[in-house]
Amino acid sequence: DAKTTQPNSMESNEEEPVHLPCNHSTISGTDYIHWYRQLPSQGPEYVIHGLTSNVNNRMASLAIAEDRKSSTLILHRATLRDAAVYYCILRDPFTSGTYKYIFGTGTRLKVLA
Amino acid sequence: EPEVTQTPSHQVTQMGQEVILRCVPISNHLYFYWYRQILGQKVEFLVSFYNNEISEKSEIFDDQFSVERPDGSNFTLKIRSTKLEDSAMYFCATPGGMNTEAFFGQGTRLTVV
Repeated sequence: DAKTTQPNSMESNEEEPVHLPCNHSTISGTDYIHWYRQLPSQGPEYVIHGLTSNVNNRMASLAIAEDRKSSTLILHRATLRDAAVYYCILRDPFTSGTYKYIFGTGTRLKVLA
Repeated sequence: EPEVTQTPSHQVTQMGQEVILRCVPISNHLYFYWYRQILGQKVEFLVSFYNNEISEKSEIFDDQFSVERPDGSNFTLKIRSTKLEDSAMYFCATPGGMNTEAFFGQGTRLTVV
């Protein structure tokens, strides 16, 4: 599976936008880019995913570079409840034959009041 | 109501004892995954279970572990003779589809003493 690289930690002020970067220079053409987050003492929670085009949902936006070698998760207005570890994961069940997720260490987001 | 419910939320057991962790999905999933997260470490894939058979397992999933679907509506992970190093959070999850998200349970915190 192609690897992703994320900063270990980031800080943001409450109610300000947060841009969480992810590098995936070895991404294949069929890899989907998934973002999950893990709040303290909870299971991973789906945030957003995309393939080529930018995506928006009620939680966040996903901006995917044109060459797909990087992506950015955007939280438009961070709240204290957004403090979590954010994981950027590539997954391609069609090629790999598996739907498992391979988690990295993610980015720990700290939101300051 | 969560898509996936895990019980118990916390289990303390003595070394060498057997434990059974349970997972109940809302929808009628045939495909299920178990992951483990040792405190402060990554979420790691353990095993996937499809139609009453193991479809994939990691190196962690040795002979001490087993998975079952005892009554068609819930999934179980059994550890036959627990070791101190089995202390971790255990998550079950739906696989998600090619273009849909996975749902993770809230986890069972297993403490082996």
